[in-house]
Amino acid sequence: KAGVTQTPRYLIKTRGQQVTLSCSPISGHRSVSWYQQTPGQGLQFLFEYFSETQRNKGNFPGRFSGRQFSNSRSEMNVSTLELGDSALYLCASSWTTGKTNEKLFFGSGTQLSVL
Amino acid sequence: EDQVTQSPEALRLQEGESSSLNCSYTVSGLRGLFWYRQDPGKGPEFLFTLYSAGEEKEKERLKATLTKKESFLHITAPKPEDSATYLCAVLPIKAAGNKLTFGGGTRVLVKP
Repeated sequence: KAGVTQTPRYLIKTRGQQVTLSCSPISGHRSVSWYQQTPGQGLQFLFEYFSETQRNKGNFPGRFSGRQFSNSRSEMNVSTLELGDSALYLCASSWTTGKTNEKLFFGSGTQLSVL
Repeated sequence: EDQVTQSPEALRLQEGESSSLNCSYTVSGLRGLFWYRQDPGKGPEFLFTLYSAGEEKEKERLKATLTKKESFLHITAPKPEDSATYLCAVLPIKAAGNKLTFGGGTRVLVKP
């Protein structure tokens, strides 16, 4: 069974640009979560989608947005990039949401560098 | 505010030298505490979920325990392949969905 796939693997952008990252969850998984990982802040929750609806949102500015398609694939978008947005962006999928026995399966992430 | 603190930040072990990692948490009601392992260049990989104080889970050389304020990950007779960053995360009762709060992680290096 294929794992969580994130594309692209690496991305270099300049300040002010926008970027779109893609995530394909494990087949059958309906919940997709996004996390930002930096050396200083660690892993921080961005948002979660379930059945094309945003179920949760973390404490990030409105420049960070996402969506989920009917096939559960998800995208996240960051507009007006800032230097501080440089990070590893991780996507995680699970069968459902809200159940404590649901473990998250993470992709390998997209490493975004903002110059 | 929910908080998770992991210690130590880094741990260097000789192969076979057992040790423990600590995860202290502050949360208003715990639904679950998770341990993940992360290798360089990869996403976190699930290890354990613990739900209530006194619970223990084991997998190969790893054993996770839970109290009302902290969790421990014990590594028994580690091998070089156990080198990784170990992450602890909590899911509060009040949190909807899969909104986990992670600790900063413990980087473990096991030397042969």
